Amino acid sequence: AQTVTQSQPEMSVQEAETVTLSCTYDTSESNYYLFWYKQPPSRQMILVIRQEAYKQQNATENRFSVNFQKAAKSFSLKISDSQLGDTAMYFCASGKYGNKLVFGAGTILRVKS
Amino acid sequence: GAVVSQHPSWVICKSGTSVKIECRSLDFQATTMFWYRQFPKQSLMLMATSNEGSKATYEQGVEKDKFLINHASLTLSTLTVTSAHPEDSSFYICSARDWVVWSYEQYFGPGTRLTVT
Repeated sequence: AQTVTQSQPEMSVQEAETVTLSCTYDTSESNYYLFWYKQPPSRQMILVIRQEAYKQQNATENRFSVNFQKAAKSFSLKISDSQLGDTAMYFCASGKYGNKLVFGAGTILRVKS
Repeated sequence: GAVVSQHPSWVICKSGTSVKIECRSLDFQATTMFWYRQFPKQSLMLMATSNEGSKATYEQGVEKDKFLINHASLTLSTLTVTSAHPEDSSFYICSARDWVVWSYEQYFGPGTRLTVT
């Protein structure tokens, strides 16, 4: 069974600063994907970034980047130049190709002005 | 981009009644849809996987007779909460996978808030 652990229930960061959200996972699958989703107050789930486990290169999407450590089963999200609009709950998730996702407990991120 | 809608966005029903929630893929065909339940400030819990034309696969601990799922077409899946009780009050989210573009990505609906009085 897959498990995803997010050990930071809440975090805060000053606007324009950098913050890193942690995530560890456990899976017996050889082909899997890792994701970070953002859920703002509207509760619409938004895909932030994804990482294919077979790729060694860390994924990057504008201000968002990941640190994927496959051997350690770690998948952290770094948000650079934090903006007020980044305030949301962030979920780390793991899944097989085209299959169901397993979500972590989530981290509430508050960006302060 | 791929859009998933849910209807209604918020529903209030009386204890003992049934309520149906629709999940539609608007601009793509979805052979598979997923139904999640989310309590305030908590994570998404997968309830079931819905496949077009076949019976849904429920996660362990989810009552099949209480949460009826029907995926009658490539663009529509419905979740019916039967004989609803206050403890069923929650936020229900669906997601859909594109049939043509076989990929990792799931597209999420905006969710439905169910309040049972």
